[in-house]
Amino acid sequence: GQSLEQPSEVTAVEGAIVQINCTYQTSGFYGLSWYQQHDGGAPTFLSYNALDGLEETGRFSSFLSRSDSYGYLLLQELQMKDSASYFCAVPSLAGKSTFGDGTTLTVKP
Amino acid sequence: KAGVTQTPRYLIKTRGQQVTLSCSPISGHRSVSWYQQTPGQGLQFLFEYFSETQRNKGNFPGRFSGRQFSNSRSEMNVSTLELGDSALYLCASSLRQLAGPEDQYFGPGTRLLVL
Repeated sequence: GQSLEQPSEVTAVEGAIVQINCTYQTSGFYGLSWYQQHDGGAPTFLSYNALDGLEETGRFSSFLSRSDSYGYLLLQELQMKDSASYFCAVPSLAGKSTFGDGTTLTVKP
Repeated sequence: KAGVTQTPRYLIKTRGQQVTLSCSPISGHRSVSWYQQTPGQGLQFLFEYFSETQRNKGNFPGRFSGRQFSNSRSEMNVSTLELGDSALYLCASSLRQLAGPEDQYFGPGTRLLVL
């Protein structure tokens, strides 16, 4: 089976940096992806790490360590609009992804 | 290009009823996946279709079923509704058979409330 663990809530202030961790246990591993979901909205894809290391996309970066079964999403220069839920997920073949329970990020002024 | 559309957006049913939800993928996309999201929970995989064939199924009871049509539109059906079926039902489409997550696009979801 597959399971992913991530913190349920994180709070930070505008302009700060926040890191959301994700540890996983999987029977087969193709990479780690991250999604953002605003309240009532659709999940939107943020990043995907198939290999170890850091991937940077603007203010967001994602890191993967396959040997540690661990990854994180790093959000810099936080803005109020970044308040949302963030999910890590492990994709598999045939259109299925296994998601963590999500981390609710609250950005305060 | 239009995104993934789901209808209806909101639905209220009572226990014991059945419901059909629809998903129209992005034009040209042939893979459709369905997920259930309950409050405070991650997304739970229901099933995935590619070219009208179900390729993968999650751990849900037989009350949950789906199908895909030749135009790639997909429907899912839940029979004998239970209170615990109240959730946001999301579908996602992708172009290729073995698409990565960066190529998968989610619709806005159908929010189902079972009373």
